[in-house]
Amino acid sequence: GAVVSQHPSRVICKSGTSVKIECRSLDFQATTMFWYRQFPKQSLMLMATSNEGSKATYEQGVEKDKFLINHASLTLSTLTVTSAHPEDSSFYICSARTTGTGPNEQFFGPGTRLTVL
Amino acid sequence: AQSVTQLGSHVSVSEGALVLLRCNYSSSVPPYLFWYVQYPNQGLQLLLKYTSAATLVKGINGFEAEFKKSETSFHLTKPSAHMSDAAEYFCAVSDRAAGNKLTFGGGTRVLVKP
Repeated sequence: GAVVSQHPSRVICKSGTSVKIECRSLDFQATTMFWYRQFPKQSLMLMATSNEGSKATYEQGVEKDKFLINHASLTLSTLTVTSAHPEDSSFYICSARTTGTGPNEQFFGPGTRLTVL
Repeated sequence: AQSVTQLGSHVSVSEGALVLLRCNYSSSVPPYLFWYVQYPNQGLQLLLKYTSAATLVKGINGFEAEFKKSETSFHLTKPSAHMSDAAEYFCAVSDRAAGNKLTFGGGTRVLVKP
């Protein structure tokens, strides 16, 4: 149980275009989803926290108009990178948590590698 | 604010040798602590977690970690390394006072030599 999927696993796009990444909890309802960014050989940096049905909470320094997050249902959150530029190239990972999870465990997706040309 | 420090960005061990990955944390409240493993181009897999019960926590794949409050440490060990243990390992602390966000350490890459 507690499987989280991401789609696509890899995406290459041209500079200036927008890219949407989906994060789905396959066998549980995720009241909260998190989006992380990971640069090569670095740790995960939290970008934003999204709660189902409400606006996402962004971490300091993350542009909310550039990284649009939607959490429209208890099993789906999307991250849209708008007007992507080469510096947005990174590995994006989502995680999901459900209510009642005692130790606040997050279940991670497999990640999406974004390359902006 | 909470923080996590992993000593050593790279660790090299021989197959069959002890694996020791160090993690120190700072937290203003009793923490929840986690160790995750990441294989190349994949997400994170939970190895084990400390949730204020037993201080010695056993996880998957033969790993275990000991919570030491006096040392603010949560070091990860495995008695005998296997080639499949080659991966990146992350220690993380859950901020229960801030929406249960995870703060990750910088990661330690483990290389296993035959």
